[in-house]
Amino acid sequence: GIQVEQSPPDLILQEGANSTLRCNFSDSVNNLQWFHQNPWGQLINLFYIPSGTKQNGRLSATTVATERYSLLYISSSQTTDSGVYFCAVTSNFGNEKLTFGTGTRLTIIP
Amino acid sequence: EPEVTQTPSHQVTQMGQEVILRCVPISNHLYFYWYRQILGQKVEFLVSFYNNEISEKSEIFDDQFSVERPDGSNFTLKIRSTKLEDSAMYFCASSEQASGRAREQFFGPGTRLTVL
Repeated sequence: GIQVEQSPPDLILQEGANSTLRCNFSDSVNNLQWFHQNPWGQLINLFYIPSGTKQNGRLSATTVATERYSLLYISSSQTTDSGVYFCAVTSNFGNEKLTFGTGTRLTIIP
Repeated sequence: EPEVTQTPSHQVTQMGQEVILRCVPISNHLYFYWYRQILGQKVEFLVSFYNNEISEKSEIFDDQFSVERPDGSNFTLKIRSTKLEDSAMYFCASSEQASGRAREQFFGPGTRLTVL
């Protein structure tokens, strides 16, 4: 099946810093979503971005489907941005299931 | 804004007992999913459901698991005889019909299941 790798696995930043999280996938996709898992375990939808670029406040994401990667940018980090960020994809080949990466754990220090 | 809801938020059960996890998908959505996340690990697909039948299931989804849409709003996951290794966070998700493109999936807040 499709493989999804995220980097870095852990990231510790000072409040106010910017960060870039990367998601690589092994095959062509027709869905890519970014999620933030908060300390209570809830998965918060950030972006639905199978291709192109989107922005939502301090967050933006870019997916280059032909090169099989996506990037999540967080600017001016706040402590509430802490948590685990997951990328998840649906393969082009037939099924609907999302395959998740192993996540990037982001810790923002005041 | 419409959202997926799940009940209960926490469930503690004894090994061997049956549990039913409940979900109310977004009302105009037609595709339903269950995923699980063992503590500290990534989220894993269990099953997808469309038009009152399972459309895909993973190797995890064995005979101990079943899903049902008993009425027009609820979507349930039943584990017949729970094992210690079933302890996890279970997420329900739903997506709408969309021709020509993949569908965005919206996740509920999860049910944390603890098997003792």
